[in-house]
Parts: sequence; structure tokens; C-alpha cells
Amino acid sequence: QVQLVQSGAEVKKPGASVKVSCKASGYTFTSYYMHWVRQAPGQGLEWMGIINPSGGSTNYAQKLQGRVTMTRDTSTSTVYMELSSLRSEDTAVYFCARRSAAAGAPFDYWGQGTLVTVSS
Amino acid sequence: DIQMTQSPSSLSASVGDRVTITCRASQSISSYLNWYQQKPGKAPKLLIYAASSFQSGVPSRFSGSGSGTDFTLTISSLQPEDFATYYCQQSYTTAWTFGQGTKVEI
Repeated sequence: QVQLVQSGAEVKKPGASVKVSCKASGYTFTSYYMHWVRQAPGQGLEWMGIINPSGGSTNYAQKLQGRVTMTRDTSTSTVYMELSSLRSEDTAVYFCARRSAAAGAPFDYWGQGTLVTVSS
Repeated sequence: DIQMTQSPSSLSASVGDRVTITCRASQSISSYLNWYQQKPGKAPKLLIYAASSFQSGVPSRFSGSGSGTDFTLTISSLQPEDFATYYCQQSYTTAWTFGQGTKVEI
């Protein structure tokens, strides 16, 4: 069965960086793009970007350009999301989500979420 | 970016009620509209994709309709496990955007 397992919660100071991992299993890792989505406390869902695990190409939300980097390691079927120059408004739960091959390419499987807290 | 607007933002309903949630896109998105359910402390779960197609395992009381700019999610007979927040999402462009969510409460 498809599983996306994310790394544990992080606490960071403003200005620092955080790197969250998402390990995939149960399917061919390089056959499905992976998205990252975040959710601030009590707020809605915000799309951050997408990575192609096959070639490593990426597409980031304009709002996060220059601060977000998505990478992958095909040997371990893991994708990573690194966010730099953290500020308090980056405090959120970060999710990885697989892009489905179905019509309209919805997000069909999600990781459990990783809470990142930015606080001095 | 395409803006997605859901209404209402929250609603109160009882078990057995028929519930309808509306989602409007700021421009035409054809049928590239997906619906998700999220319970507190959990990841979103895909319910409906391409406006009206059921994700595997989703109960038949959930249905979706619409195209262009106006879409609806209907729960025909609300069950206790359906109390959650529902999000629409457009996948027409590669700058995916979500609605602000509709919280369905008892």
C-alpha cells in the first residue's frame, strides 16, 4: 500500500532553515510527482511546490521563490523540502502529497504532516 | 493565481441532513476541481476529483458536480464521521490553489 512517512516535528529560530523529509513506499517512486502543501495553525491549505522525482525538476509557488528548495534521493525514495530564512509566519504543518495519475491530477496520498514551529 | 471561494465558511447540520457546499473559481477551470476532507490533526483525504469522479473507497453519499467556474459538493445524508472541514482545489493551472475551507459542525 502507498505510504508517505514524514520526519518529525522541528523547532527553529527566526532566520534559520528547516529540512523536512518524506519517504515513499508501496509504488514506483519515480513515476509520480510529489507536492508540498502547508497549513498554518487554524488556517487553510497552501500549495508550496512540486518536484518530479524522476528528473528532479521543480516548480515553486511564486510567494516562496528563493526560500524553498525541493530535492529527492531516488536511492531511498525520499523527497525533501528545505525552507530558509524562517519567520514566525512559516509556523505550520507541512505535508507532502503525491500527484495522482488520474484525470485532473489530484493529490491522492498524503504524508502525516510535520509541524514546524518558528520561535525565538 | 486562480482564486477559489467556498461558501459557506461553516455550517451546522444534523445526522441525516443533506448538505451542499459551493466552490467558485475566479476564472474557468473546466472540470479540474477536486474536493478533500480534513479532520482535526489529520492530513486531507481526497474525496472527489475532476469535479465528479469518486476516489476509491469514498462512500456514495458524497457527490460532486459543476464545470467552468461553479462547483458543488453534496453529502446526501450526513453521517457522524462526516463532521470535518472540506476544501476544494483547482488543478487547472500549475499554481494549484485551494478554497478557504468549509467546516461542517454538529
